[in-house]
Amino acid sequence: DIQMTQSPSTLSASVGDRVTITCRASQSISSWLAWYQQKPGKAPKLLIYKASSLESGVPSRFSGSGSGTEFTLTISSLQPDDFAIYYCQQYNSYSSLTFGGGTKVEIK
Amino acid sequence: EVQLVESGGGLVQPGGSLRLSCAASGFTFSRYWMSWVRQAPGKGLEWVANIKQDGSEKYYVDSVKGRFTISRDNAKNSLYLQMNSLRAEDTAVYFCASLYGMDVWGQGTTVTVSS
Repeated sequence: DIQMTQSPSTLSASVGDRVTITCRASQSISSWLAWYQQKPGKAPKLLIYKASSLESGVPSRFSGSGSGTEFTLTISSLQPDDFAIYYCQQYNSYSSLTFGGGTKVEIK
Repeated sequence: EVQLVESGGGLVQPGGSLRLSCAASGFTFSRYWMSWVRQAPGKGLEWVANIKQDGSEKYYVDSVKGRFTISRDNAKNSLYLQMNSLRAEDTAVYFCASLYGMDVWGQGTTVTVSS
């Protein structure tokens, strides 16, 4: 099974900061990677799919990059609404799907 | 409006059974692979199971193989998760989701396994 390693697990940042979260796959997943944002008590919200495609309605300050085994999510200018937990997810096949461990973005 | 609504969660004793349901609306349910994803209290997201559009292929995370069964009824636009031999570590919020081709999540239903 493909393992997804996400870092850092916690990130302290201020409004306006540029933030980068990294996700590493244990084997190549091409570009079959998504990024989600989750707030307490809510279902995850899709931000990025296919590694770099912005989901409709998601602010352009969110961007994704990478392919193969290394991926990043970047928030260009952190906003108050962005403090949440972020997960990467690989969907390389129908037989298995894996999430990263999550990155909590908290206020510095 | 595209929507998934889960039901069937609750408190169950270790070794017991529970059946979760997920009602889909606002999209052509039969066209999509469907999934169950769970989240234990204070923990991350864990994929549980996938089912193909016609139900002919089903896949599970190792920890639930032989205990959980995913199924669907396209005529009723419904997804199910039959959970048997439940353990304390199965305690979680269970989400029904469409994760391939269209991203839709339900609000989740809580399963608590405790004596």
